[in-house]
Amino acid sequence: KQEVTQIPAALSVPEGENLVLNCSFTDSAIYNLQWFRQDPGKGLTSLLLIQSSQREQTSGRLNASLDKSSGRSTLYIAASQPGDSATYLCAAGLAAGNKLTFGGGTRVLVKP
Amino acid sequence: DTAVSQTPKYLVTQMGNDKSIKCEQNLGHDTMYWYKQDSKKFLKIMFSYNNKELIINETVPNRFSPKSPDKAHLNLHINSLELGDSAVYFCASSPYRASYSNQPQHFGDGTRLSIL
Repeated sequence: KQEVTQIPAALSVPEGENLVLNCSFTDSAIYNLQWFRQDPGKGLTSLLLIQSSQREQTSGRLNASLDKSSGRSTLYIAASQPGDSATYLCAAGLAAGNKLTFGGGTRVLVKP
Repeated sequence: DTAVSQTPKYLVTQMGNDKSIKCEQNLGHDTMYWYKQDSKKFLKIMFSYNNKELIINETVPNRFSPKSPDKAHLNLHINSLELGDSAVYFCASSPYRASYSNQPQHFGDGTRLSIL
């Protein structure tokens, strides 16, 4: 059974600092690893999706890496801004029905 | 133009009642999902439908019954509501392909269900 863990559960940084969010999963037989952002009272917004054959994906200030053998993914956010304050969730995608198993999330606060 | 829309956004009701949550997507996707996010913010999949056919059914009480009249709609009906059903329920959709490894899921804003 796939289990996904995110550490830390919460993170507070001053504006401009780089953010590093960690995600680990127990079963390396994944199809993809997805990172989402959730704002209070809102749904999830897809940030990056790394296919199992890839090592990383980049979008603007965001970069996500994937190491299947060690069961880890890391989301880097460069030069953080107050608007980056949100909860970040990672999810491991399995083949059957594109089922996603989510971690508990990392709540990020970027102080101006 | 909302891609995945859920109604209602808030639902407050008493224990023992029956309620439904509706979901519609205008993305042309074949696959739709229901997730439950509990008070600790853990998101868990409940059901998944592909083109009106059930493909994922996690360990969910049979008081929960999904219904998909067409591939753009996936509704969730809940019978005999219990206190533990209080949560945020999210609908999502994605394209269906033989290799869906590069297709992210698109989520609605959630329905906040509170049982009194």
